[in-house]
Amino acid sequence: AQSVTQLDSQVPVFEEAPVELRCNYSSSVSVYLFWYVQYPNQGLQLLLKYLSGSTLVKGINGFEAEFNKSQTSFHLRKPSVHISDTAEYFCAVSDSGNTPLVFGKGTRLSVIA
Amino acid sequence: GAVVSQHPSRVICKSGTSVKIECRSLDFQATTMFWYRQFPKQSLMLMATSNEGSKATYEQGVEKDKFLINHASLTLSTLTVTSAHPEDSSFYICSARDSPLNEQFFGPGTRLTVL
Repeated sequence: AQSVTQLDSQVPVFEEAPVELRCNYSSSVSVYLFWYVQYPNQGLQLLLKYLSGSTLVKGINGFEAEFNKSQTSFHLRKPSVHISDTAEYFCAVSDSGNTPLVFGKGTRLSVIA
Repeated sequence: GAVVSQHPSRVICKSGTSVKIECRSLDFQATTMFWYRQFPKQSLMLMATSNEGSKATYEQGVEKDKFLINHASLTLSTLTVTSAHPEDSSFYICSARDSPLNEQFFGPGTRLTVL
């Protein structure tokens, strides 16, 4: 079964600084990878996804992630964060097919003014 | 993108009562829906996979008699928490799979508080 590791439970960063949220997954022949954002008391919003093709994926709100098969990683990056980016971020993975998403434990991004 | 709704968004009930949560895919048909549970400051844990027209598949440790799932149509799945107790208080989130896109779309969640 797939598993996802988000190495950092909390990441504080100053406004307009760059940020990287790390995500590693257990190896599989093929995987679909996702990043979601969750604001307090709300559901999940998809930031970006990797299904196939280019390993650099661009998403909404200026976020991007790079799929690295050799390192089984899918780190999320943003070159300049805003206060409004403060939220919980979840990395998720599924095998090709109809398997449900498996989530990491989440990383709390706190942007400091 | 595809829209998934949940109703109610919040519910407060007394211990021992049953609560039904609805999950609807508004603009696509979903043969498969998923139910997740999220405790405060924790990740989403899959409870069960709901398939239209068949019995749900529950994850290990989830009581199927306590968490009744019905997926009667391609746009509606319901989760009923039977004889709810305070430890069932949680945030319940459903998702629906849009097969052509091979993507899960999430509902806004339901906050259940059992007194």
